[in-house]
Amino acid sequence: QKEVEQDPGPLSVPEGAIVSLNCTYSNSAFQYFMWYRQYSRKGPELLMYTYSSGNKEDGRFTAQVDKSSKYISLFIRDSQPSDSATYLCAMSVLTSGTYKYIFGTGTRLKVLA
Amino acid sequence: DADVTQTPRNRITKTGKRIMLECSQTKGHDRMYWYRQDPGLGLRLIYYSFDVKDINKGEISDGYSVSRQAQAKFSLSLESAIPNQTALYFCATRGRQETQYFGPGTRLLVL
Repeated sequence: QKEVEQDPGPLSVPEGAIVSLNCTYSNSAFQYFMWYRQYSRKGPELLMYTYSSGNKEDGRFTAQVDKSSKYISLFIRDSQPSDSATYLCAMSVLTSGTYKYIFGTGTRLKVLA
Repeated sequence: DADVTQTPRNRITKTGKRIMLECSQTKGHDRMYWYRQDPGLGLRLIYYSFDVKDINKGEISDGYSVSRQAQAKFSLSLESAIPNQTALYFCATRGRQETQYFGPGTRLLVL
């Protein structure tokens, strides 16, 4: 079983829809939870990160962490064609004095105009 | 100007050749990373460095070596390239807390 599971998609939605992207994980020691956006032929860029269970909002984006269920989500409100990209979840855990990062495989999102 | 740059952006090479991928950053970060990205496997860590004298292997370091020439420069070498090293390679730096900054990537094809 992979430490982090993410549905690869692709996910196609109409413009203006609410998008829900999800990851599950198996290691209860994960401490930080991150979402990256990766446009085609570009490097990942950090969208949001959070430490605790609950919600964190930034503009149209909301990151949600449920540590009891080992489940994280990213919600995108009023989705735009410019949101079309691959979204990677990532998690980190302190191991031997340093943080180890585990990335999901990414979900490809297409927002249709 | 981009904060993390990688050269070359694309490279085609033959099996057995030695190649070097270079990464430079202007963010002033001490921590630098090399990842490879493969379809269905996500990003996997090859090597990381906390400063010029501190180099560490990641989960898939076999067949790779690195050099941290300065705080701003971190190079990845494939001593004898093989086809299963065909992938997208990313350099990243780490700032405060969990903010990793990725370069634009190098697309490598080994024939």
